[in-house]
Amino acid sequence: EAGVVQSPRYKIIEKKQPVAFWCNPISGHNTLYWYRQNLGQGPELLIRYENEEAVDDSQLPKDRFSAERLKGVDSTLKIQPAELGDSAVYLCASSLTGVNTEAFFGQGTRLTVV
Amino acid sequence: KNEVEQSPQNLTAQEGEFITINCSYSVGISALHWLQQHPGGGIVSLFMLSSGKKKHGRLIATINIQEKHSSLHITASHPRDSAVYICAVNKGNKLVFGAGTILRVKS
Repeated sequence: EAGVVQSPRYKIIEKKQPVAFWCNPISGHNTLYWYRQNLGQGPELLIRYENEEAVDDSQLPKDRFSAERLKGVDSTLKIQPAELGDSAVYLCASSLTGVNTEAFFGQGTRLTVV
Repeated sequence: KNEVEQSPQNLTAQEGEFITINCSYSVGISALHWLQQHPGGGIVSLFMLSSGKKKHGRLIATINIQEKHSSLHITASHPRDSAVYICAVNKGNKLVFGAGTILRVKS
Protein backbone atom coordinates (compact mmCIF):
# COMPACT_ATOMS: atom_id res chain seq x y z
CA GLU A 1 0.00 0.00 0.00
CA ALA A 2 1.29 3.49 -0.84
CA GLY A 3 2.29 5.69 2.04
CA VAL A 4 1.65 9.39 2.36
CA VAL A 5 2.35 10.99 -1.01
CA GLN A 6 3.43 14.58 -1.37
CA SER A 7 4.20 16.69 -4.40
CA PRO A 8 6.25 18.36 -5.56
CA ARG A 9 9.42 17.09 -3.85
CA TYR A 10 11.27 20.31 -4.52
CA LYS A 11 10.14 23.83 -5.41
CA ILE A 12 12.14 26.98 -6.03
CA ILE A 13 10.22 30.23 -6.38
CA GLU A 14 10.91 33.93 -6.21
CA LYS A 15 9.66 35.87 -3.23
CA LYS A 16 6.16 37.30 -3.54
CA GLN A 17 5.11 34.43 -5.80
CA PRO A 18 2.42 31.93 -4.77
CA VAL A 19 3.13 28.24 -4.18
CA ALA A 20 1.02 25.20 -3.41
CA PHE A 21 1.80 21.80 -1.97
CA TRP A 22 -0.32 18.70 -2.29
CA CYS A 23 -0.73 15.71 0.02
CA ASN A 24 -2.50 12.39 -0.41
CA PRO A 25 -2.77 10.60 2.94
CA ILE A 26 -2.91 6.90 3.60
CA SER A 27 -6.31 5.49 2.73
CA GLY A 28 -8.59 5.42 5.76
CA HIS A 29 -6.59 7.94 7.78
CA ASN A 30 -9.01 10.61 8.95
CA THR A 31 -6.37 12.78 10.58
CA LEU A 32 -4.02 14.82 8.41
CA TYR A 33 -1.22 17.13 9.54
CA TRP A 34 0.88 19.76 7.84
CA TYR A 35 4.24 20.50 9.46
CA ARG A 36 7.00 22.95 8.64
CA GLN A 37 10.59 21.98 9.38
CA ASN A 38 13.30 24.61 9.34
CA LEU A 39 16.90 23.56 8.88
CA GLY A 40 18.34 21.99 12.01
CA GLN A 41 15.03 21.95 13.85
CA GLY A 42 12.23 19.53 14.47
CA PRO A 43 8.91 19.80 12.63
CA GLU A 44 6.36 22.31 13.87
CA LEU A 45 2.63 21.81 13.39
CA LEU A 46 0.91 24.21 11.03
CA ILE A 47 -2.54 22.66 10.86
CA ARG A 48 -4.35 19.45 11.79
CA TYR A 49 -7.46 18.12 10.09
CA GLU A 50 -10.00 15.63 11.33
CA ASN A 51 -11.72 14.61 8.10
CA GLU A 52 -12.44 17.91 6.34
CA GLU A 53 -12.45 20.03 9.50
CA ALA A 54 -9.40 22.02 10.57
CA VAL A 55 -9.37 21.31 14.31
CA ASP A 56 -6.06 23.01 15.11
CA ASP A 57 -4.75 25.84 12.94
CA SER A 58 -3.43 27.99 15.75
CA GLN A 59 0.12 27.95 14.35
CA LEU A 60 -0.85 28.66 10.76
CA PRO A 61 0.16 32.20 9.65
CA LYS A 62 -3.23 33.04 8.23
CA ASP A 63 -2.19 36.24 6.52
CA ARG A 64 -0.33 34.29 3.84
CA PHE A 65 -0.95 30.59 4.45
CA SER A 66 -4.12 28.70 3.66
CA ALA A 67 -5.02 25.04 3.58
CA GLU A 68 -7.95 22.95 2.54
CA ARG A 69 -8.97 19.33 2.68
CA LEU A 70 -11.96 18.96 0.44
CA LYS A 71 -13.89 15.71 0.86
CA GLY A 72 -11.67 14.83 3.81
CA VAL A 73 -9.00 13.07 1.75
CA ASP A 74 -6.34 15.01 -0.20
CA SER A 75 -5.11 18.32 1.12
CA THR A 76 -3.37 21.36 -0.29
CA LEU A 77 -1.30 23.94 1.53
CA LYS A 78 -0.81 27.32 -0.13
CA ILE A 79 1.45 30.26 0.53
CA GLN A 80 0.66 33.59 -1.09
CA PRO A 81 2.81 35.59 -1.30
CA ALA A 82 5.90 33.64 -0.31
CA GLU A 83 8.65 35.27 1.74
CA LEU A 84 12.32 34.37 2.06
CA GLY A 85 11.69 33.03 5.57
CA ASP A 86 9.23 30.48 4.24
CA SER A 87 12.10 28.38 2.90
CA ALA A 88 11.76 25.06 4.72
CA VAL A 89 10.62 21.48 4.30
CA TYR A 90 6.86 21.11 4.43
CA LEU A 91 5.81 17.71 5.72
CA CYS A 92 2.43 16.07 5.51
CA ALA A 93 1.46 13.23 7.83
CA SER A 94 -1.64 11.17 8.41
CA SER A 95 -2.95 8.89 11.10
CA LEU A 96 -6.03 7.11 12.31
CA THR A 97 -8.14 9.20 14.67
CA GLY A 98 -7.19 8.88 18.33
CA VAL A 99 -4.72 10.00 20.95
CA ASN A 100 -1.88 7.49 20.68
CA THR A 101 -2.08 6.63 17.04
CA GLU A 102 1.05 6.42 14.95
CA ALA A 103 1.56 9.16 12.38
CA PHE A 104 2.97 8.32 8.96
CA PHE A 105 4.94 10.97 7.14
CA GLY A 106 5.36 11.84 3.50
CA GLN A 107 8.70 12.61 1.84
CA GLY A 108 8.16 16.32 2.27
CA THR A 109 8.39 19.27 -0.10
CA ARG A 110 11.57 21.28 0.11
CA LEU A 111 10.72 24.91 -0.65
CA THR A 112 13.38 27.45 -1.49
CA VAL A 113 12.32 31.08 -1.82
CA VAL A 114 14.88 33.27 -3.56
CA LYS B 1 13.01 25.92 27.23
CA ASN B 2 11.84 23.38 24.66
CA GLU B 3 9.40 20.79 25.89
CA VAL B 4 11.46 18.05 24.24
CA GLU B 5 15.24 18.15 24.48
CA GLN B 6 17.60 15.79 22.69
CA SER B 7 21.28 15.13 23.20
CA PRO B 8 23.69 15.15 21.64
CA GLN B 9 22.85 17.50 18.78
CA ASN B 10 25.55 15.95 16.61
CA LEU B 11 27.20 12.57 16.90
CA THR B 12 29.97 11.01 14.83
CA ALA B 13 30.78 7.35 15.38
CA GLN B 14 32.95 4.67 13.84
CA GLU B 15 31.29 1.72 12.20
CA GLY B 16 30.55 -0.96 14.77
CA GLU B 17 30.25 1.36 17.75
CA PHE B 18 27.33 1.29 20.18
CA ILE B 19 25.37 4.54 19.96
CA THR B 20 23.03 6.19 22.43
CA ILE B 21 20.79 9.16 21.76
CA ASN B 22 18.89 10.71 24.65
CA CYS B 23 15.57 12.48 24.91
CA SER B 24 14.13 14.33 27.90
CA TYR B 25 10.71 15.91 28.06
CA SER B 26 9.05 18.25 30.49
CA VAL B 27 5.36 17.67 29.82
CA GLY B 28 2.89 14.94 30.56
CA ILE B 29 2.73 12.57 27.64
CA SER B 30 0.78 9.55 26.55
CA ALA B 31 3.42 8.13 24.22
CA LEU B 32 6.88 8.83 22.84
CA HIS B 33 8.13 8.29 19.31
CA TRP B 34 11.55 7.83 17.81
CA LEU B 35 11.72 8.86 14.17
CA GLN B 36 14.41 8.66 11.51
CA GLN B 37 14.92 11.24 8.78
CA HIS B 38 17.39 10.73 5.93
CA PRO B 39 18.79 13.70 3.98
CA GLY B 40 16.21 14.85 1.45
CA GLY B 41 13.80 12.20 2.63
CA GLY B 42 10.71 12.03 4.72
CA ILE B 43 10.37 10.77 8.24
CA VAL B 44 10.07 7.12 9.16
CA SER B 45 8.69 5.97 12.47
CA LEU B 46 11.07 3.65 14.33
CA PHE B 47 9.29 3.16 17.64
CA MET B 48 6.26 4.29 19.56
CA LEU B 49 6.38 3.45 23.25
CA SER B 50 4.68 4.41 26.46
CA SER B 51 6.60 2.21 28.89
CA GLY B 52 9.52 -0.17 29.16
CA LYS B 53 11.61 -1.18 26.20
CA LYS B 54 11.22 -2.13 22.55
CA LYS B 55 13.69 -3.77 20.20
CA HIS B 56 13.76 -3.97 16.42
CA GLY B 57 16.84 -5.44 14.81
CA ARG B 58 19.84 -3.41 15.96
CA LEU B 59 17.68 -0.67 17.44
CA ILE B 60 16.53 -0.53 21.05
CA ALA B 61 14.34 2.14 22.62
CA THR B 62 13.70 2.56 26.33
CA ILE B 63 11.56 4.96 28.29
CA ASN B 64 11.45 5.90 31.97
CA ILE B 65 8.14 7.62 32.61
CA GLN B 66 9.05 8.71 36.16
CA GLU B 67 12.26 10.39 34.99
CA LYS B 68 10.67 11.67 31.75
CA HIS B 69 13.54 10.29 29.75
CA SER B 70 13.99 8.00 26.78
CA SER B 71 17.01 6.58 25.00
CA LEU B 72 17.54 5.19 21.53
CA HIS B 73 20.39 2.73 21.19
CA ILE B 74 21.96 1.44 17.99
CA THR B 75 24.14 -1.64 18.29
CA ALA B 76 26.89 -2.46 15.74
CA SER B 77 26.37 0.86 13.96
CA HIS B 78 26.73 1.03 10.20
CA PRO B 79 27.19 3.94 7.77
CA ARG B 80 23.65 3.42 6.51
CA ASP B 81 22.45 4.39 10.00
CA SER B 82 23.60 7.95 9.25
CA ALA B 83 20.50 10.12 9.52
CA VAL B 84 18.72 12.56 11.80
CA TYR B 85 17.00 10.87 14.73
CA ILE B 86 14.05 12.76 16.16
CA CYS B 87 12.26 12.25 19.44
CA ALA B 88 8.61 13.28 19.57
CA VAL B 89 5.99 13.04 22.30
CA ASN B 90 2.20 12.81 22.20
CA LYS B 91 0.86 15.76 24.16
CA GLY B 92 -2.87 15.30 23.92
CA ASN B 93 -3.66 15.22 20.22
CA LYS B 94 -0.41 16.93 19.30
CA LEU B 95 3.04 15.64 18.49
CA VAL B 96 5.79 17.79 19.97
CA PHE B 97 9.18 17.25 18.37
CA GLY B 98 12.74 17.57 19.55
CA ALA B 99 15.27 19.30 17.32
CA GLY B 100 16.85 16.02 16.28
CA THR B 101 20.26 14.40 16.60
CA ILE B 102 22.43 14.31 13.50
CA LEU B 103 24.23 10.95 13.41
CA ARG B 104 27.11 10.21 11.10
CA VAL B 105 28.65 6.75 11.11
CA LYS B 106 32.02 6.53 9.39
CA SER B 107 33.38 3.35 7.82
